[in-house]
Amino acid sequence: EAAVTQSPRSKVAVTGGKVTLSCHQTNNHDYMYWYRQDTGHGLRLIHYSYVADSTEKGDIPDGYKASRPSQENFSLILELASLSQTAVYFCASSDRANTEVFFGKGTRLTVV
Amino acid sequence: GDSVTQTEGLVTLTEGLPVMLNCTYQTIYSNAFLFWYVHYLNESPWLLLRSSTDNKRTEHQGFHATLHKSSSSFHLQKSSAQLSDSALYYCAYLSGSFNKLTFGAGTRLAVCP
Repeated sequence: EAAVTQSPRSKVAVTGGKVTLSCHQTNNHDYMYWYRQDTGHGLRLIHYSYVADSTEKGDIPDGYKASRPSQENFSLILELASLSQTAVYFCASSDRANTEVFFGKGTRLTVV
Repeated sequence: GDSVTQTEGLVTLTEGLPVMLNCTYQTIYSNAFLFWYVHYLNESPWLLLRSSTDNKRTEHQGFHATLHKSSSSFHLQKSSAQLSDSALYYCAYLSGSFNKLTFGAGTRLAVCP
């Protein structure tokens, strides 16, 4: 079964600190995504990648960086965390030819 | 750019009543792939329905939706709500060539006894 694993599942970070959210998929999928979930905004795409060592900006990339060191791993990096980045973050993957996207269980990030 | 609109933020229903969650979309592309994802608390969102065929009804787990390209709509329906249907429902549109999903704001469905 398709599996996308996120770590940590929850985190409290200090304003101005660096935060790294990790994602690992065992689906052998080419595409990986980072979404942010906020009430009233739904799921918004931050960054995505369709091949290792390459990332693309999504719809709300400001304040975030991404890294895809291998097909299986995709990280989201907040260099200087801010209060406005408090949210739930979802990683997802999909096959090049398959239009179904498989999500992880999310990471709840609280910036204080 | 592409956008997906879900007009209701919260829908509260009594068990046994019919469900209808609205979804409309805007896009410059003629090909449209529409999806409904369901998200239960503390779980991963997962695919409930998808369609790219105009005017064809798609069904899964008691839910159904029909893509109407003439009205750019893909409303989710169910004949009789169950308590277990309480969840957050996202309508989404697949755009471009990179499997990039655009989600609506989501509709929380609360089914009461």
